[in-house]
Amino acid sequence: DIQMTQSPPSLSAFVGDRVTITCRASQSVSIYLNWYQQRLGKAPQLLIYSASNLQDGVPSRFSGSGSGTDFTLTISSLQPEDFATYSCQQSHTTPWTFGQGTKVEI
Amino acid sequence: QVQLVQSGAEVKKPGASVKVSCKTSGYTFINNYVHWVRQAPGQGLEWMGIINPKSGGTNYAQRFQGRVTLTRDTSTSAVYMELSSLRSDDTAVYFCARDTLSTRLPASRPGARLDFWGQGTLVAVSS
Repeated sequence: DIQMTQSPPSLSAFVGDRVTITCRASQSVSIYLNWYQQRLGKAPQLLIYSASNLQDGVPSRFSGSGSGTDFTLTISSLQPEDFATYSCQQSHTTPWTFGQGTKVEI
Repeated sequence: QVQLVQSGAEVKKPGASVKVSCKTSGYTFINNYVHWVRQAPGQGLEWMGIINPKSGGTNYAQRFQGRVTLTRDTSTSAVYMELSSLRSDDTAVYFCARDTLSTRLPASRPGARLDFWGQGTLVAVSS
């Protein structure tokens, strides 16, 4: 199985900060990397697909980049509603696998 | 609007089975794959398997092979996840999620993404 490693596991930030989360795959997943946001007690929501494509309805302050094994999710200006856990997921090879998540907190 | 609505929380004893339902609406049921993903308390998301609602074909994660069964009912646009031989470490929230990928394409085709999710079903396994 492809292992997905996120860093950092958690981070503290302020409203307005620029936040960057990284995700590394144990082998190449090409561009087949998705990012999800999960608020406490809720289901995940798709933010970014195929590494850099913004899902419909997602604010433009979210962006993604990368290919192969190294990927980044960036929030350009953190908003109060962005405090949540972010997870990457590879959809290159079954079984689809997720990172352990990065918790963004105040 | 697309919705996936799951059945309520369950408490089971070790060794028992559980069957969770996921009723879909707002789109053509047979056109999109449906996945099941679980999340143990304080842990990350774990992919369990995928079902093709059109054909009924399934693909399971190796670690659940033999214990999980995904089925569908096209008359009610619902999918079901049954997990048997429950253990305490199966305690988790179980989610169904729709894939944007068309069922005209193979389930293993790269590029799957989960755009709509059910609200989650807590399954607690305790003696």
